Amino acid sequence: LAKTTQPISMDSYEGQEVNITCSHNNIATNDYITWYQQFPSQGPRFIIQGYKTKVTNEVASLFIPADRKSSTLSLPRVSLSDTAVYYCLVGLSGGSYIPTFGRGTSLIVHP
Amino acid sequence: GAVVSQHPSRVICKSGTSVKIECRSLDFQATTMFWYRQFPKQSLMLMATSNEGSKATYEQGVEKDKFLINHASLTLSTLTVTSAHPEDSSFYICSAGQGGYEQYFGPGTRLTVT
Repeated sequence: LAKTTQPISMDSYEGQEVNITCSHNNIATNDYITWYQQFPSQGPRFIIQGYKTKVTNEVASLFIPADRKSSTLSLPRVSLSDTAVYYCLVGLSGGSYIPTFGRGTSLIVHP
Repeated sequence: GAVVSQHPSRVICKSGTSVKIECRSLDFQATTMFWYRQFPKQSLMLMATSNEGSKATYEQGVEKDKFLINHASLTLSTLTVTSAHPEDSSFYICSAGQGGYEQYFGPGTRLTVT
């Protein structure tokens, strides 16, 4: 399984764009990149998933360079409610996928 | 989206007793479910992979005789913490997928062993 490295913590302010980068140098050809959000005492919540280039949904964008050795989760105009821990996971989607969590990034959004 | 539930949401038990935690996929079938344990301010640690109709696959260091997993149907997996001790106090989370792109996580179960 590809190991992931993220910053341990980040601080931001309401209304700003936040970019969290995850390194996954030994990502395999068939691996997808998935980001989850977790609030205290809750299960993780799916944010976005991608394989290459750029993916956008209603809450975030995911940027993946051509070599796929890193990825960046972009949260536009964060609010206080975006304060959470964000996890980057790498693995093969489908039946053989075993979601394994790294340390995650604790994002704190200030007023 | 798909929903995974856990029951109970929190439980307090005495040392030496056993506790069962249920994980259900409410609107989809899951041949595979995963069980995690999370200590305060730490990441989720995978404990085992629960396979419907067969034995669970445990991660290294997880005692299979202490953490009994049963995946009796395509919508239900149970984790039983046997002879619980205070060090087993933790947040237990399950997840399930549909074999596609997303894993759906349960809300978690807070276990406190006194």
